Amino acid sequence: QKEVEQNSGPLSVPEGAIASLNCTYSDRGSQSFFWYRQYSGKSPELIMSIYSNGDKEDGRFTAQLNKASQYVSLLIRDSQPSDSATYLCAVRLARQLTFGSGTQLTVLP
Amino acid sequence: DVKVTQSSRYLVKRTGEKVFLECVQDMDHENMFWYRQDPGLGLRLIYFSYDVKMKEKGDIPEGYSVSREKKERFSLILESASTNQTSMYLCASSLNEQFFGPGTRLTVL
Repeated sequence: QKEVEQNSGPLSVPEGAIASLNCTYSDRGSQSFFWYRQYSGKSPELIMSIYSNGDKEDGRFTAQLNKASQYVSLLIRDSQPSDSATYLCAVRLARQLTFGSGTQLTVLP
Repeated sequence: DVKVTQSSRYLVKRTGEKVFLECVQDMDHENMFWYRQDPGLGLRLIYFSYDVKMKEKGDIPEGYSVSREKKERFSLILESASTNQTSMYLCASSLNEQFFGPGTRLTVL
């Protein structure tokens, strides 16, 4: 069983819509949760971190964490073509991060 | 802003050559990491270090070694490069949030 699983893509949404990206993790001891955005040919860029249950909003991005369900999600409101990228979920246990395989998002103009 | 730099963006080497990839961070982070990223395989941890002269094996350490003589610098060494080490190599540093360098695309011929 994969430690961090993301919903399989690719995911396509029209411009202006809400994109919803999901991630589940297996280790209940996981402490911190992150979302990275990776454009093709580039390195991952941290866009959100969340440490406690509930929602955390930053501009058009909202991260949601439910530790009881071992579930973390990322919502992107008013999606733009520039949001087209692969989104990586990462979970921290001790010093290391475990990454999901990523969900490729395409925002259609 | 955290800055993680890597010595080369693109590198071409021949089979059997010794290859050095260098990474420098400017935020006094304790933890530094080396990953490789391949299509369909995601991010895989090669080695990490949580202090000067300390190193820990990640998921795929075979064929690699590392050196951390100073806190800001973490080097990845391919003792005898092989074609299956052709990949994108990513360095990262962290206290809690992990930040990536721009990556080195290594081709071994």
